[in-house]
Amino acid sequence: GAGVSQSPSNKVTEKGKDVELRCDPISGHTALYWYRQSLGQGLEFLIYFQGNSAPDKSGLPSDRFSAERTGGSVSTLTIQRTQQEDSAVYLCASSQDLNIQYFGAGTRLSVL
Amino acid sequence: DAKTTQPPSMDCAEGRAANLPCNHSTISGNEYVYWYRQIHSQGPQYIIHGLKNNETNEMASLIITEDRKSSTLILPHATLRDTAVYYCIVRALNAGNNRKLIWGLGTSLAVNP
Repeated sequence: GAGVSQSPSNKVTEKGKDVELRCDPISGHTALYWYRQSLGQGLEFLIYFQGNSAPDKSGLPSDRFSAERTGGSVSTLTIQRTQQEDSAVYLCASSQDLNIQYFGAGTRLSVL
Repeated sequence: DAKTTQPPSMDCAEGRAANLPCNHSTISGNEYVYWYRQIHSQGPQYIIHGLKNNETNEMASLIITEDRKSSTLILPHATLRDTAVYYCIVRALNAGNNRKLIWGLGTSLAVNP
């Protein structure tokens, strides 16, 4: 079946602009995660959604970052007033049994 | 902070076994050991996980020491396509709402022809 899909694959924006990153999880997966990966680094947790529970937002680095998940499926990560330090690959993962996470290919964000 | 330590890089000859070590000396009794890998420009891919018994699947074998303070991921016959960064992660199965994975820097494995 289809895996986790992220769009766009690449995004170049100017400092101060807002960006929206989209994640389509695997159908039926109840858990959805967003991570950020800077060049040469491991993954940094951002936010986690599980069913109808309140999301775990403990990893969001500032109030410029927000995410929502509509209808328990598609998720959008929004970064307002982007800064150069926001440049990274943003990865989305979904999970069914809370053990194994399936990742998309990521969105490479470049803030000029 | 990541609860695991791994060597930053390793080399392996094509066709030989690749043995990737991981130390997790502070692992708790209810924490599993997970391995993922990330091929260049791709998202991470799940490989295998285990609690205390050795595990094997079509991709790899996982050997966990009796005291559970370390483990080894074994790729029995490494190919060039196994060149990737390998991440060892520990996480409890039932961690309440805190189900995020804590990632370290992993081991960059280079399989050479």
